[in-house]
Amino acid sequence: SQTIHQWPATLVQPVGSPLSLECTVEGTSNPNLYWYRQAAGRGLQLLFYSVGIGQISSEVPQNLSASRPQDRQFILSSKKLLLSDSSFYLCAWSAGLASDTQYFGPGTRLTVL
Amino acid sequence: EDKVVQSPLSLVVHEGDTVTLNCSYEVTNFRSLLWYKQEKKAPTFLFMLTSSGIEKKSGRLSSILDKKELSSILNITATQTGDSAIYLCAVEGGATNKLIFGTGTLLAVQP
Repeated sequence: SQTIHQWPATLVQPVGSPLSLECTVEGTSNPNLYWYRQAAGRGLQLLFYSVGIGQISSEVPQNLSASRPQDRQFILSSKKLLLSDSSFYLCAWSAGLASDTQYFGPGTRLTVL
Repeated sequence: EDKVVQSPLSLVVHEGDTVTLNCSYEVTNFRSLLWYKQEKKAPTFLFMLTSSGIEKKSGRLSSILDKKELSSILNITATQTGDSAIYLCAVEGGATNKLIFGTGTLLAVQP
């Protein structure tokens, strides 16, 4: 069966510090991978998605970047965090374009102070 | 601009009540509509709807899509305290399997 992992679960970082959130998927090959952000009281916003190694599409301009160094690894990064980056970040995977169901990881709560 | 709107934003009911949650959308190249339940952290998948008028059912939960009205409802009968959660509606549109989420409905079921 497929599982998706995210870490860390909770993170508190000072403004201006770098960020690296990691997401890995097990039990499937060549998944589509996604990073979402959920601000308090708001819906999920798609940040990045990837259909393969090294292929990243950005949905919204922002202070963040994503990379996919391996087939089942997706990393969300920032060189300098802003206060507005505080949010709940979710990674998700889907089997491919033919499959519409996305499955989410446990999420990372990021607080920037 | 593509958007998904859910209503109500929040509601409080007592155990045993029946609730109906609404989702309406304006999304180009509609492919499917999905419902998720989010309790503490990650959303968990409930239903995927692609065809109009066909009800999907899982226990006390059911959902139906109306493509003509560009909307969907999620029904929960005989609610229990364990149904308390945020219910998210998402619509997939375009050619790249992206989901557009609504803001969610916060449901609180009181004993």
